[in-house]
Amino acid sequence: EDQVTQSPEALRLQEGESSSLNCSYTVSGLRGLFWYRQDPGKGPEFLFTLYSAGEEKEKERLKATLTKKESFLHITAPKPEDSATYLCAVDNDMRFGAGTRLTVKP
Amino acid sequence: EPEVTQTPSHQVTQMGQEVILRCVPISNHLYFYWYRQILGQKVEFLVSFYNNEISEKSEIFDDQFSVERPDGSNFTLKIRSTKLEDSAMYFCASRLGTGYGYTFGSGTRLTVV
Repeated sequence: EDQVTQSPEALRLQEGESSSLNCSYTVSGLRGLFWYRQDPGKGPEFLFTLYSAGEEKEKERLKATLTKKESFLHITAPKPEDSATYLCAVDNDMRFGAGTRLTVKP
Repeated sequence: EPEVTQTPSHQVTQMGQEVILRCVPISNHLYFYWYRQILGQKVEFLVSFYNNEISEKSEIFDDQFSVERPDGSNFTLKIRSTKLEDSAMYFCASRLGTGYGYTFGSGTRLTVV
């Protein structure tokens, strides 16, 4: 059974249109939740690690938050260069979700 | 910035042949991983390696696969008797310890013909 579920599978935004990506997890005793960005044909690039509910981390237009059951990746005023697949994983089992493919149109 | 290096970037092999994919993890990292990604699909965990032994492996990582850290710097994935369905991008990753993020290499694209 998948321990990490990401939604939506794909998201198309206009430049400047803020939105959120979701990562739901079912593990107990979370050791850490990771967010990654993957561009086509490249390896995943590390963005954030979150360890406990209530924690938030920011990087440029991205902010990641964590609750006891899910994590959100908020994208504020996205630009076309934010287009990528965003992946999450829990440290407990090293397995990634299927990802959200984000497309930002100019 | 330290990086994980993978070679070759692309390998084409005949079905039934053996291939070795090579990785040089970041030098002070202690945990090493192989993942694969079939075109258009999710990143799939294959195996984790710590303290010179496999710490966990997925159901994909059967007897066809093996990993080795032959010296202090290299980490290899061997695939015996390759099949068409082994065609994928293979990523190596390393990290300093549990709770730290993984650093991924740029991958080896394996094509089995």
